Amino acid sequence: DAGVIQSPRHEVTEMGQEVTLRCKPISGHNSLFWYRQTMMRGLELLIYFNNNVPIDDSGMPEDRFSAKMPNASFSTLKIQPSEPRDSAVYFCASTDPGLAGSNEQFFGPGTRLTVL
Amino acid sequence: LAKTTQPISMDSYEGQEVNITCSHNNIATNDYITWYQQFPSQGPRFIIQGYKTKVTNEVASLFIPADRKSSTLSLPRVSLSDTAVYYCLVGGSQGNLIFGKGTKLSVKP
Repeated sequence: DAGVIQSPRHEVTEMGQEVTLRCKPISGHNSLFWYRQTMMRGLELLIYFNNNVPIDDSGMPEDRFSAKMPNASFSTLKIQPSEPRDSAVYFCASTDPGLAGSNEQFFGPGTRLTVL
Repeated sequence: LAKTTQPISMDSYEGQEVNITCSHNNIATNDYITWYQQFPSQGPRFIIQGYKTKVTNEVASLFIPADRKSSTLSLPRVSLSDTAVYYCLVGGSQGNLIFGKGTKLSVKP
């Protein structure tokens, strides 16, 4: 089992550029979560999907952020245009529907984004 | 979602038992209590979850009093590799979880 896969692992870009982060959840998992982590704000939930449908996007900072899940094995988080304050580590996590009653989320290794 | 309060940091020595307490006064009837561990440069990792009384697995124990307004994560005989941030969360199963700032545990030799 490869676990949750995120790409790229590191991204350095300039302010105003478009950034796309990618996530492949664990096969068979039906919920997917995008988080952002900074020293100041800690770990924040941005959006989560259930069966490819966005359920709660109240954590998405603003219109510059968008997320899609076109199928059960792939999701993207896009920032356009990017700003220096978007610099953070972005995590993707997925959950196993077979673990009913469990809050166990499986996290990927994260993407460290730096916006100059 | 219920808010949690836990110490910002704790220090311990190798071989000691560490207890991290979390308060969650507004926990709802259908909320579970879940603990995660995060090492530097890694994503959080699930440790343990409980609803009431005591839960134990190969990594830790979780103690939950009858009123469920607090919980205690117990790590037996910690080692240097247990140095990490520990998060206490409350919420319904497989719903969105709210991570606070966590407790930074430093284990010294």
